[in-house]
Amino acid sequence: GAGVSQSPSNKVTEKGKDVELRCDPISGHTALYWYRQSLGQGLEFLIYFQGNSAPDKSGLPSDRFSAERTGGSVSTLTIQRTQQEDSAVYLCASGGTGDTGELFFGEGSRLTVL
Amino acid sequence: DQQVKQNSPSLSVQEGRISILNCDYTNSMFDYFLWYKKYPAEGPTFLISISSIKDKNEDGRFTVFLNKSAKHLSLHIVPSQPGDSAVYFCAASGGSGGGADGLTFGKGTHLIIQP
Repeated sequence: GAGVSQSPSNKVTEKGKDVELRCDPISGHTALYWYRQSLGQGLEFLIYFQGNSAPDKSGLPSDRFSAERTGGSVSTLTIQRTQQEDSAVYLCASGGTGDTGELFFGEGSRLTVL
Repeated sequence: DQQVKQNSPSLSVQEGRISILNCDYTNSMFDYFLWYKKYPAEGPTFLISISSIKDKNEDGRFTVFLNKSAKHLSLHIVPSQPGDSAVYFCAASGGSGGGADGLTFGKGTHLIIQP
């Protein structure tokens, strides 16, 4: 499809396990963002990739979280040794080259840590 | 410390009336503001934006007003329709293209349009 694609859409895991969430941005978009939305909270910025520049990791909540973007396209968000507080919807967004700041979001990956 | 605040978690409006969603921000470096709309189980979608050089931007039934001195913006929807029922997120950026640190979002306001 032409939109941002995320997988899996739902993931249930046990505390302490590692999880990987994948994002396929819109083709040609240079900017890619990861956000998460916990219950009752707004959208929390996690990490930002822009082209070939070093990513802005300032939003990652702990060193258990990491993300990479291969070939300037697909991105993977990895959470190691998951905790219950990691349960949230993880949203990926990509942005074009325009100045509007408009982002296009995927449908999110709902992570539940038991 | 929230830089973008939406103080009303929910808002109920009758169909046909005006819906006004409010947003306050604290960071004076923000110069671009956006509203996103989110339906359940879907990602947010862009609705309307405004640059800090303007005080109003209109798109059909949607108008965003910006008061820089008060660090306040609002989204007006008129007339409100049942399909407008959704969560509305206010977002701000410190530069074009979303800024180096991404958009900063508020917690959202759940708008409920009653028949």
